[in-house]
Amino acid sequence: KAGVTQTPRYLIKTRGQQVTLSCSPISGHRSVSWYQQTPGQGLQFLFEYFSETQRNKGNFPGRFSGRQFSNSRSEMNVSTLELGDSALYLCASSSGQQMNTEAFFGQGTRLTVV
Amino acid sequence: QQQVKQSPQSLIVQKGGIPIINCAYENTAFDYFPWYQQFPGKGPALLIAIRPDVSEKKEGRFTISFNKSAKQFSLHIMDSQPGDSATYFCAAKRSSNTGKLIFGQGTTLQVKP
Repeated sequence: KAGVTQTPRYLIKTRGQQVTLSCSPISGHRSVSWYQQTPGQGLQFLFEYFSETQRNKGNFPGRFSGRQFSNSRSEMNVSTLELGDSALYLCASSSGQQMNTEAFFGQGTRLTVV
Repeated sequence: QQQVKQSPQSLIVQKGGIPIINCAYENTAFDYFPWYQQFPGKGPALLIAIRPDVSEKKEGRFTISFNKSAKQFSLHIMDSQPGDSATYFCAAKRSSNTGKLIFGQGTTLQVKP
């Protein structure tokens, strides 16, 4: 069974640009959550999508947005990039069922904003 | 009330030692507590998880101890090996809130040969 796939693995963008990251969850999983990981703030929850609907949202500005497609693949978009957006962006896949809560992470996308 | 506090920040042990990493939470609505292991350049990998209805869970060399009244839980790594050198994160969530995991700040473990 394939794991969680994130693309691209690395990105370098200029301040002010926008970026789109992609996540393909484990087959059969309907929930995709996104996290930002930085040395200073650790792992912080961005948002969760389940069945194409945003189900949870963290405390990030509106520049961070996402969506989920009917095949459960998810994309995350960051507009008007700032230097502080440089981070490892991780997505986690889970079944989305209340009592089956294991979440499995992809390898992440390393975003560098210059 | 959403925080999970993890300690220590870093830990060095000799091979065969038993490193212990501690976490404390505030929100009594949390009912799922996983531990993740992360190697440089990789995403976090689920190690072991526990629910509040049990006080201890073992999987291989990894043991979680859970103290519901103190709102604390800890990870013990038995017979630690150099290959266990990694960053460990505790986390917590409400099952009813599904995907949102609240993470501790992480513990960098070094196991010396």
